[in-house]
Amino acid sequence: AQKVTQAQTEISVVEKEDVTLDCVYETRDTTYYLFWYKQPPSGELVFLIRRNSFDEQNEISGRYSWNFQKSTSSFNFTITASQVVDSAVYFCALSEFNPGANSKLTFGKGITLSVRP
Amino acid sequence: DTGVSQNPRHKITKRGQNVTFRCDPISEHNRLYWYRQTLGQGPEFLTYFQNEAQLEKSRLLSDRFSAERPKGSFSTLEIQRTEQGDSAMYLCASSRTGPHEQYFGPGTRLTVT
Repeated sequence: AQKVTQAQTEISVVEKEDVTLDCVYETRDTTYYLFWYKQPPSGELVFLIRRNSFDEQNEISGRYSWNFQKSTSSFNFTITASQVVDSAVYFCALSEFNPGANSKLTFGKGITLSVRP
Repeated sequence: DTGVSQNPRHKITKRGQNVTFRCDPISEHNRLYWYRQTLGQGPEFLTYFQNEAQLEKSRLLSDRFSAERPKGSFSTLEIQRTEQGDSAMYLCASSRTGPHEQYFGPGTRLTVT
């Protein structure tokens, strides 16, 4: 069975601070995909990133960066110089790698990030 | 490229009534997923379609729930004899075949009174 744990439930920072959102996952699969989604107050889930388990290189996209460590089953997300518009609930998710299989997402409970001006 | 759309956005119904939600996926996406999200939780998988075929249903999907995707285009999710425990946000997502990222619609918020 797959499981995603986001131990932090709520984080509050002041604008321009850096913040890291933690994600730990469990799976019996040797290959899998990891995702981060953002859910702003409007409610619609917005895709941020997908990483496959083969690739442990860190990734940076603007103010966003992701640290994937297979040895600790973690896929952490850092926002640099946070902005008020980053306020949202952030979900980490996991899916199977097999193209023919059900690629359903298993989500964590989410982390509510509040960025204060 | 239009995104995933869902209708209605909100639905209030009395216990025991039937409700139906609609999802229109991104046009070139073969796969369509339904999830349910309750307050303070992440979305939970309900069912998915590959084109018009419903390939898997979660144990969360009781006999009162049914989903269809005629002609592999839009999908409907029907809940019969609604219960208060059905109150949740129902999310639809679509993707290309395979473990690709899923794109979500805005959801239908159901309130059963």
